[in-house]
Amino acid sequence: SAVISQKPSRDICQRGTSLTIQCQVDSQVTMMFWYRQQPGQSLTLIATANQGSEATYESGFVIDKFPISRPNLTFSTLTVSNMSPEDSSIYLCSVAGQGASMNTEAFFGQGTRLTVV
Amino acid sequence: SQQGEEDPQALSIQEGENATMNCSYKTSINNLQWYRQNSGRGLVHLILIRSNEREKHSGRLRVTLDTSKKSSSLLITASRAADTASYFCATDYRQGGKLIFGQGTELSVKP
Repeated sequence: SAVISQKPSRDICQRGTSLTIQCQVDSQVTMMFWYRQQPGQSLTLIATANQGSEATYESGFVIDKFPISRPNLTFSTLTVSNMSPEDSSIYLCSVAGQGASMNTEAFFGQGTRLTVV
Repeated sequence: SQQGEEDPQALSIQEGENATMNCSYKTSINNLQWYRQNSGRGLVHLILIRSNEREKHSGRLRVTLDTSKKSSSLLITASRAADTASYFCATDYRQGGKLIFGQGTELSVKP
């Protein structure tokens, strides 16, 4: 299993500003994932954070808006840039199990509830 | 884009009744996972079923997987008010932990 600490747990931000969300894992993991959950919606994958290379973004998400850092195997940050009210969501980081087959459950942080006013 | 669809979107039952939620997906998967989320908080992993498995049990939970129909179901037996939450299926279609989530089912269990 993996324990994920994510902070801040919530924040209220002014439009036009940026917020950086931190995700710390208690063990080394190859890939970390960032998801967005808009109000009343399901989770959508933003990007995969790879250590030692640039993040891989899903369709509809771009690096300029959601820059990601992955300085080591236990830590990642997601920045939400130039925020607008439409960015109000819960942002969650996740890691996969690290068994030999990697065919195991994923683990999630508690999420960051972002409100943009 | 999300590849999973769930039904029903909302389900309201009485305590003690069983709750069944269904999930369909579009492409071949390695495994399918079910999660619970209480009031927009973090996700709690419930159960994982691999593509070569057809049924799994965990306590009051029973999950089935039909790869020919690309569908799964989650059954919660003898429901309790504490089971009130949103339930999501998520498919791992390639190894590494990248998941595609279904739309979710909002379950309400009334005492």
